[in-house]
Amino acid sequence: GQSLEQPSEVTAVEGAIVQINCTYQTSGFYGLSWYQQHDGGAPTFLSYNALDGLEETGRFSSFLSRSDSYGYLLLQELQMKDSASYFCALTTGGFKTIFGAGTRLFVKA
Amino acid sequence: NAGVTQTPKFQVLKTGQSMTLQCAQDMNHNSMYWYRQDPGMGLRLIYYSASEGTTDKGEVPNGYNVSRLNKREFSLRLESAAPSQTSVYFCASSEGQARINEQFFGPGTRLTVL
Repeated sequence: GQSLEQPSEVTAVEGAIVQINCTYQTSGFYGLSWYQQHDGGAPTFLSYNALDGLEETGRFSSFLSRSDSYGYLLLQELQMKDSASYFCALTTGGFKTIFGAGTRLFVKA
Repeated sequence: NAGVTQTPKFQVLKTGQSMTLQCAQDMNHNSMYWYRQDPGMGLRLIYYSASEGTTDKGEVPNGYNVSRLNKREFSLRLESAAPSQTSVYFCASSEGQARINEQFFGPGTRLTVL
């Protein structure tokens, strides 16, 4: 089967940079995604890595290393509104998608 | 475009009752998904449909059935609800492309089973 591990909580200061790590176990997959979810809301897509390397979208970047079974989400210039839960997710054969348990990010003033 | 819509938004059931959660998307997506999310936890895949006419089990399929009625609609049925099925249920859809699998989520259905 597939499994993903990410830290349960991360705290950072407004304006800083934070990295949320995700390690996974799978026999094969199409790509690694990242989603953001605010309390009471639905998850929203942030980024997807089909290939190794860095993908940048504004203040958010995501990285994948298939050889290390590892990825991360990098958030720059943190804002209070970035306080939310962040999930990594693997897309495998047939577009089956498995999510990690999520990392709760607290941004302090 | 409405995106992904789910009905109902809230539902309270008694143990043993049945119900169907409805989901529809207007983005012409191939793939659709049903997840459940328990408090403070991640999303767990119940069932998914890679394309119209196909459905497959996810991580936690027991106690649920699904129907991919057409390309737009994907319903989730609880035949005999149990308190352990109290959760928030999200439906999602995606184009179903390996190069990028961006999933769009509905607003969720908050289900309580007494």
